[in-house]
This record gives sequence, C-alpha cells and structure tokens, in this order.
Amino acid sequence: EVQLVDSGGGLVQPGGSLRLSCAASGFTFSTSLMGWVRQAPGKGLEWVAKINGDGSEKNYVDSVKGRFTISRDNARNSLYLQIDTLKAEDTAVYYCARGWAAAWGQGTLVTVSS
Amino acid sequence: DVVMTQSPLSLPVTLGQPASISCRSSQSLVHSDGNTYLNWFQQRPGQSPRRLINKVSNRESGVPDRFSGSGSGTDFTLKISRVEAEDVGVYYCMQIIHWPWTFGQGTKVEIK
Repeated sequence: EVQLVDSGGGLVQPGGSLRLSCAASGFTFSTSLMGWVRQAPGKGLEWVAKINGDGSEKNYVDSVKGRFTISRDNARNSLYLQIDTLKAEDTAVYYCARGWAAAWGQGTLVTVSS
Repeated sequence: DVVMTQSPLSLPVTLGQPASISCRSSQSLVHSDGNTYLNWFQQRPGQSPRRLINKVSNRESGVPDRFSGSGSGTDFTLKISRVEAEDVGVYYCMQIIHWPWTFGQGTKVEIK
C-alpha cells in the first residue's frame, strides 16, 4: 500500500525557516516524480514544487522561487521541502504528492505569524 | 500560466440525482504524445485530496463507476450519475501538461 507521511510543520515567525519531510513507502520511490502542493486555509490547491526521480530536475512556481528548495534522499525514501524567508502568505497545509498527484500525504500545517 | 476555470463553484444536489462540473483550460491540454493531461480530484471535508480520474476519463482503482470524465482540448466535464451522501466535498480539475501545474478553483458539492 502506498503511504506518504508528512511532517515538520509548525508556527514560525515571518522571515523564519522550516524543513518539511515526507516519508514514503509502498512503491519504488527512487523512480517516482514527487512534489509538494499547498492549500491556504479555506482556499484551493497550488503546486509549489516538483522533483524527478534522481533529483536532477526541479521546478518551482514563481511565487516560491529563491525561497523554497525541494530535495530527496532516495536511500531514505524521503522527500523534503526547505522553506526560507517565510511570509504570511505561505501559511497553508503542505501535502507531499506522488507523481501526477496519484497519492497524497495527510498534510502538515505551516503557520507564519508573529 | 494555464488558467483552469471551473463552473459552477457551488453545486447543491438532491441525493440520487446527477451532477455535472465543467472545467475549461486557457490552453490546450493535448500533449504531443497524443494524451490529454487533465485530472480530477475529490477532497472530502477534513481530508487530503484524492485523485478520481486521470487523463480525462480513466477512473482510479476503487472509484465508483458513477463518476465519469469526458472532454477534449480545453473543455472537460466530471459527471456523477447519482449523487450519494459520501460524494459531498470539493472537486478540482488539474492540468499537468504545462508547468506550473494548475488547479481549478474547486466546485463545492453539497446535498440539498
């Protein structure tokens, strides 16, 4: 069974940093495209970043370029999202997703507030 | 960016009656490989999204056959043949042919 477990969210002050993690199991992680999708409170869904299987190709939505870094550790079956220079508008539930969003984690809440 | 426009945004439905959601993209979603990369998702209250349909009309394993997808080019439709109580939630279309991948605004399905 495919399983994605998100973690690392929390309350952070504006300008702060967080590292989100996603532990994957039940599929061949190293060959799977992975990504992060966020959902602001009461709002819709937004893809923020994706990474190919070997980590050589990364893509970001314009609003997070230069502040977010997606990475993966295929030996640990883990996906990461380093979020720096956090802004209030980054407040959201962050979901890790496999491939074309065939599977989703349970989400981890990031709240940016002073 | 490709803009995905859903309608209606709110859809009150009587149990057992059909429901239909429209999704239009600002650019063609037809890939050079011949496939059209349009997915549909369901998000029940308090849950993570779940993919229902991929590539316009392919139902995911375990998705009831009352859900169907159709369309081509830039116009797509998700239909529920007979709405059940468990279908309450928000439905999103999403394109994965142009980066950034983008979602529609969501259509909230509720029971009258």
